[in-house]
Amino acid sequence: NAGVMQNPRHLVRRRGQEARLRCSPMKGHSHVYWYRQLPEEGLKFMVYLQKENIIDESGMPKERFSAEFPKEGPSILRIQQVVRGDSAAYFCASSPRGGGQANSYEQYFGPGTRLTVT
Amino acid sequence: AQTVTQSQPEMSVQEAETVTLSCTYDTSESDYYLFWYKQPPSRQMILVIRQEAYKQQNATENRFSVNFQKAAKSFSLKISDSQLGDAAMYFCAYRSALGGADGLTFGKGTHLIIQP
Repeated sequence: NAGVMQNPRHLVRRRGQEARLRCSPMKGHSHVYWYRQLPEEGLKFMVYLQKENIIDESGMPKERFSAEFPKEGPSILRIQQVVRGDSAAYFCASSPRGGGQANSYEQYFGPGTRLTVT
Repeated sequence: AQTVTQSQPEMSVQEAETVTLSCTYDTSESDYYLFWYKQPPSRQMILVIRQEAYKQQNATENRFSVNFQKAAKSFSLKISDSQLGDAAMYFCAYRSALGGADGLTFGKGTHLIIQP
């Protein structure tokens, strides 16, 4: 069973460009979470999505950032007009979430995408 | 909002010894989940152990165990018989049991060094 896939692993963008980060959840998982990790920091929650729905975007910056999880295909985190402060590692996690069992609340993380803005 | 605090930026332990990493959290909720994640240099986040707040028994996974003190809002991780492969950043995390509030809240991490 393949784990959570993220691509690209490394992404370099110039200031003002757009960054698109992709996340394919584990097979059978319909819940996706995005986190950002700044250098020397812990992960910060950004957004929680189910298929075709945003459930919680309380951690998303109000401007330039958006996320989607379409019916078909991977989840996409999109950052428009990137700035140097967007340089970070972006992690995606997925969970099966069902049945009320504790195990269903585990989040399985992908390897992350390291975004560098020059 | 919940907060998670890890007061030890760095810890060092001799191989085969035991080390305890501290974590405290703040919440007004009564039902929640707590986790320890390990992040080695590869940056992959690996779940080490989890604890359900409604369970009084401390979770154990092989050499890893927790000391969960709900009243004190403390959740420490004990690593016994430390191995070189345990060297990593360790993050404590909180997750609400309320539906829809599934995002994990992480501490800033503890860098664990294993001395051979």
